[in-house]
Amino acid sequence: DVVMTQTPLSLSVTPGQPASISCKSSQRLLHSNGKTYLSWYVQKPGQSPQLLIYEVSSRLSGVSERFSGSGSGTDFTLKISRVEAEDVGVYYCMQGIQLRTFGQGTKVEIK
Amino acid sequence: QVQLVESGGGVVQPGGSLTLSCAASGFTFSDSGIHWVRQAPGKGLEWVALIWGDGSSDFYADSVKGRFTISRDNSKNTLYLQMSSPREEDTAVYYCAKDSNRALDCWGQGTLVTVSS
Repeated sequence: DVVMTQTPLSLSVTPGQPASISCKSSQRLLHSNGKTYLSWYVQKPGQSPQLLIYEVSSRLSGVSERFSGSGSGTDFTLKISRVEAEDVGVYYCMQGIQLRTFGQGTKVEIK
Repeated sequence: QVQLVESGGGVVQPGGSLTLSCAASGFTFSDSGIHWVRQAPGKGLEWVALIWGDGSSDFYADSVKGRFTISRDNSKNTLYLQMSSPREEDTAVYYCAKDSNRALDCWGQGTLVTVSS
């Protein structure tokens, strides 16, 4: 089974400042087709999760350019360039190379 | 627009049975794999099951294998999750979610299942 480990588990950020979340997988997420199946989600308070980024760095249509994904192999990062109040929520990474597994989640709060 | 709407949640006794439904609209249902994902109260997301668009293959998390069955009726654009012999630890909000590029690009609003005697 692929285990996903996120750090930190919580983050308190001043509005306008950047934020970064790390996600590490227990196995490489590179498929034989050349694609790496790592995606990021946010669950805002009281809402269902929503997809932000797929295949490491591709933003879903409509997602703010403040969100960016990077990484390769087993190490991945979600960055928010300038945190806004609306970004409050829990962020999850998920692997898609072997069934699906989510990270534990990172709670982002505003200072 | 793409929409997924879950139903069928409620209270079920341990060892009983319950079937959840997920009605889809706004996309070609038979072209998409669909997942069930759950979230226990105050906890994170747990992937539960996946069924391919044509229904030919299904996959399960170890925690539900042998007890839950995912199925679909493409003529009704509906996904199902049959929960047999549920346990208290199966108490959660259950979401259906559409697969795209091995990510989950559309989620329903969720339906709460409480397993309790």
